[in-house]
Amino acid sequence: AQSVTQPDIHITVSEGASLELRCNYSYGATPYLFWYVQSPGQGLQLLLKYFSGDTLVQGIKGFEAEFKRSQSSFNLRKPSVHWSDAAEYFCAVGPYGGATNKLIFGTGTLLAVQP
Amino acid sequence: DAGVIQSPRHEVTEMGQEVTLRCKPISGHNSLFWYRQTMMRGLELLIYFNNNVPIDDSGMPEDRFSAKMPNASFSTLKIQPSEPRDSAVYFCASSPGAAGELFFGEGSRLTVL
Repeated sequence: AQSVTQPDIHITVSEGASLELRCNYSYGATPYLFWYVQSPGQGLQLLLKYFSGDTLVQGIKGFEAEFKRSQSSFNLRKPSVHWSDAAEYFCAVGPYGGATNKLIFGTGTLLAVQP
Repeated sequence: DAGVIQSPRHEVTEMGQEVTLRCKPISGHNSLFWYRQTMMRGLELLIYFNNNVPIDDSGMPEDRFSAKMPNASFSTLKIQPSEPRDSAVYFCASSPGAAGELFFGEGSRLTVL
């Protein structure tokens, strides 16, 4: 069965430090992979997505993610974190259930940024 | 461009009352999703419409929940009767279709006392 695992529930980093959020998936074929960010009281916003091609994808707000098939991973990275990056981050995989835009979401990683 | 619009943003009601949540998707998007978010269960897909037709409602918790999409610009999620365990943030999202990203509304926070 398809699934997404985000092993880190909560991460704290210092402003200016680098960041890597982990995402592992279980999927029978080449998946579509997404990272979303949710600020407090807001809906989810797409950061980046991978469908095919270059395994290193660039997103908004200076984020990037790398698809590693051999590790079934799609980790999110940012070289220098800003205080405004404090939010919850969700990895998602699709499609499933016969619909190309049905996604399975991970449980999220809450990022805190300390000055 | 207007995003996905949900109402109400906050709803507090008493157990047993009917609750109706509303969603206006982005114009031109042909898929609409209702999700529920709780601390315990994370994001759960409740129901998915394509071209106004319910495709998959396997995530709807029980018969107390129902969803409709009478036209391409409006959907409702109804809970009747509501229970305290229904307390959650309910998100509506729309998508332009094939391999498309989901665009989320800001959510409706429901508290059932």
